[in-house]
Amino acid sequence: DQQVKQNSPSLSVQEGRISILNCDYTNSMFDYFLWYKKYPAEGPTFLISISSIKDKNEDGRFTVFLNKSAKHLSLHIVPSQPGDSAVYFCAAYDGSGNTGKLIFGQGTTLQVKP
Amino acid sequence: GAGVSQSPSNKVTEKGKDVELRCDPISGHTALYWYRQRLGQGLEFLIYFQGNSAPDKSGLPSDRFSAERTGESVSTLTIQRTQQEDSAVYLCASSLAYGIYNEQFFGPGTRLTVL
Repeated sequence: DQQVKQNSPSLSVQEGRISILNCDYTNSMFDYFLWYKKYPAEGPTFLISISSIKDKNEDGRFTVFLNKSAKHLSLHIVPSQPGDSAVYFCAAYDGSGNTGKLIFGQGTTLQVKP
Repeated sequence: GAGVSQSPSNKVTEKGKDVELRCDPISGHTALYWYRQRLGQGLEFLIYFQGNSAPDKSGLPSDRFSAERTGESVSTLTIQRTQQEDSAVYLCASSLAYGIYNEQFFGPGTRLTVL
């Protein structure tokens, strides 16, 4: 049972435009969410996070939005750059305990065209 | 210092053979995690270590999988009698401490192919 879902396997945008990556989750106990970015042949690297007490967190060109009632979060990249081309994973922590166990989505491959 | 390293980077083995995957975490990181990513799927949590102890082994797919950590440093993931469904990228991560808000730093992974 996939508790964190990224329903779009891929996304292609033009350089300079906005990229929006979506993520849905099913477990209401999740209370901390992260986005990771992964280049080929490298491990995922942390990008941005958001706590369930917030609905928005911004870091430079990257903004994550959280809609708890819809159990949905999204990552906005503005403006998109060719170097942003990578696989993006949404991940969540189960808040029922102080657990470090991350639940990941399937990933979305972003291609930013020059 | 150096990041998380894993070896080998690629491993091709025959069905039924045993394999051992190695992870060297960032020095000083007390928590260590193993994940795997099968083709087209997300990262699947396998096991974590706090120090040398693994409190939760429920993520291991079967009793053919085992892991250990020594000296609060190197960890090995062993898969016995490999099956084709074990083919995946196995990722190791470490963090300064265990729990939420402790960023996990990932290694590049070991790509395991079982023929």
